[in-house]
Amino acid sequence: AAGVIQSPRHLIKEKRETATLKCYPIPRHDTVYWYQQGPGQDPQFLISFYEKMQSDKGSIPDRFSAQQFSDYHSELNMSSLELGDSALYFCASSLALDSFNSPLHFGNGTRLTVT
Amino acid sequence: AQSVSQHNHHVILSEAASLELGCNYSYGGTVNLFWYVQYPGQHLQLLLKYFSGDPLVKGIKGFEAEFIKSKFSFNLRKPSVQWSDTAEYFCAVSSGGYNKLIFGAGTRLAVHP
Repeated sequence: AAGVIQSPRHLIKEKRETATLKCYPIPRHDTVYWYQQGPGQDPQFLISFYEKMQSDKGSIPDRFSAQQFSDYHSELNMSSLELGDSALYFCASSLALDSFNSPLHFGNGTRLTVT
Repeated sequence: AQSVSQHNHHVILSEAASLELGCNYSYGGTVNLFWYVQYPGQHLQLLLKYFSGDPLVKGIKGFEAEFIKSKFSFNLRKPSVQWSDTAEYFCAVSSGGYNKLIFGAGTRLAVHP
């Protein structure tokens, strides 16, 4: 079965550079969530989208922005990168805002290293 | 604000030993509770979830969890672990009908043959 696809798998950037992470949800899923997992830490919710509109916002820095496109894929744009942005970035998708009927399906993540 | 606390950061067991991982949450309203597993190099996978009804929830791979409302706990159990259960386990909570999850810090389980 198709899963959540994230690209790239690994990304190395220097401080102050920009990065774009992409997430392709499971077909027919209309909701996308972004999580950041720092080294040895639990995943922290960043932002979510439902039907191409932002549905919730968590601890996402102002330097980051995201959007969901008409084909439901999502991109997380990160500017002025800092060393502390080094983390594993997970994308997850579900069919609706109802977690009972559609639990989250996670992608394998993009590991971002900022040097 | 919601928060999730997992008591054990690292657990080491021998095969066939019993497992119990603690999870406590803080939230005054109705919550949905989850356990996710993350095998080395892989993505988070749902083990089981609790929304309502029977507080003893059975999940995949022989795992179960018990919701004790009075203790704000949702501990994960398995009677007999296998080497293949070596992974990191995350407890998570959401409220209402939404998928925005608040995760615990995770428990890294190592099972020795």
